This record gives sequence, C-alpha cells and structure tokens, in this order.
Amino acid sequence: QVQLVQSGAEVKKPGASVKVSCKASGYTFSKYHMHWVRHAPGQGLEWMGIINPSGDSTTYAQKFQGRFTMTRDTSTGTLYMELSSLTSEDTAVYYCGRPIIGSFSLGLDYWGQGTLVTVSS
Amino acid sequence: QSALTQPRSVSGSPGQSVTISCTGTSSDVGGYNFVSWFQQNPGKAPKLMIYDVIKRPSGVPDRFSGSKSGNTASLTISGLQVEDEADYYCCSYAGSFSWVFGGGTKLTV
Repeated sequence: QVQLVQSGAEVKKPGASVKVSCKASGYTFSKYHMHWVRHAPGQGLEWMGIINPSGDSTTYAQKFQGRFTMTRDTSTGTLYMELSSLTSEDTAVYYCGRPIIGSFSLGLDYWGQGTLVTVSS
Repeated sequence: QSALTQPRSVSGSPGQSVTISCTGTSSDVGGYNFVSWFQQNPGKAPKLMIYDVIKRPSGVPDRFSGSKSGNTASLTISGLQVEDEADYYCCSYAGSFSWVFGGGTKLTV
C-alpha cells in the first residue's frame, strides 16, 4: 500500500534552516510529481511547491522563492524540503503529498502524516 | 496569488444538504477545470474529496459532489452526517505549475 512517512518534529531558532524528509513506499516513486503543503496554527492550508518525477524541475509558490528548496532522491524514494531564514510565521505542520496522475488539480490522494516545525527563540 | 474566498463557516442538520462556495478569478477557478476539495479533521492530514471540479476519488461517498460556474466552485454535501463535521478547503490550479487554496470553511453538523 502507498505510504508517505515524514521525519519527526523540529524546533528551530529564528534565522535557522530546517530540512524535512518524506519517504515513499508502495508505488513507483519516480513516476509521480510530489508537492509540499503547510498548515500554520489557526490558518488555512498553503501550497508551497512541486517537483517533477526526475527531480530536475521545481516550481515554488512566489511567497517562498529564494528560501525554499525541494529535492528528491529516486534511489531511496525520498522527498526533501528545506526552508531557510525561519521566522515564527513558519511555525506550521508541513505535509508532503502525492497527486493523482493525469490531472492539474491538486489531487493529493496520499499524504504524509505531517511534520511540526516550531520556530521559537 | 491571493487565496480563494470561502465562507468561514456553514452549518446544517443531519440529513440536510449544505453547499460550500469557493470564489476565485479568471486566472484560477474560472480559467481551469482543475478545482479540488479537501476535508480536514483536527490534527489529521487533509483528505481528497473532489478533484477536476466534479470527480470523486474511490471511497468518497456520492453524497459529496462538486460543481463550478464562472469563477466560483462549489462543494455540496447531501444527506449530512455527524461525521462530515470538519474543515473543508478548496484548491485551484492557477497556471504555470502553481496552485492556490481557499481560506477554509468550518462545517458544523
């Protein structure tokens, strides 16, 4: 069965960087784009970015450009996100998601369990 | 892009129907038939309920249906059940490999 298992919770100081992983299993990782979405406390969901199946093309939401990086390792079936220059506003649960093939809808039918990133001095 | 506009809350009684709206612009909702809807319970990952405006993933009850008119998409839940109480988010493709969510709607049953 398809599973996306994310790394554990992180606590970071303002100005630091955080790297979160998402290990995929149960399907052919190299055939699917992948997305990151975050959910800040008391806020709505926020799309962050997409990476193509081979990992050589990414698109990020304008808000995160310059401090957000998505990568993937097809040999291990692992997706990564790194967010730098953290502020308290980056405190959120970060989710990876796998989309339905063949649609431009954000049809994320499988999600990781979420990783809480807390930014606090 | 600006977030899509959803009502902050809607409510209904068991057995009734409710509709949640999601208003965007011609650059997102109105420009593409790529709207999805997610259900989220507290502390849980979102669950895909509708994609491509009207399609339901396997396992989603047919009580959930989607539609779109112009720049506004809608999610209708018929035969409300207590377990439908959750937050609901719409999301639209906005071109150039970018997506935008709505602010979310809290459904009370």
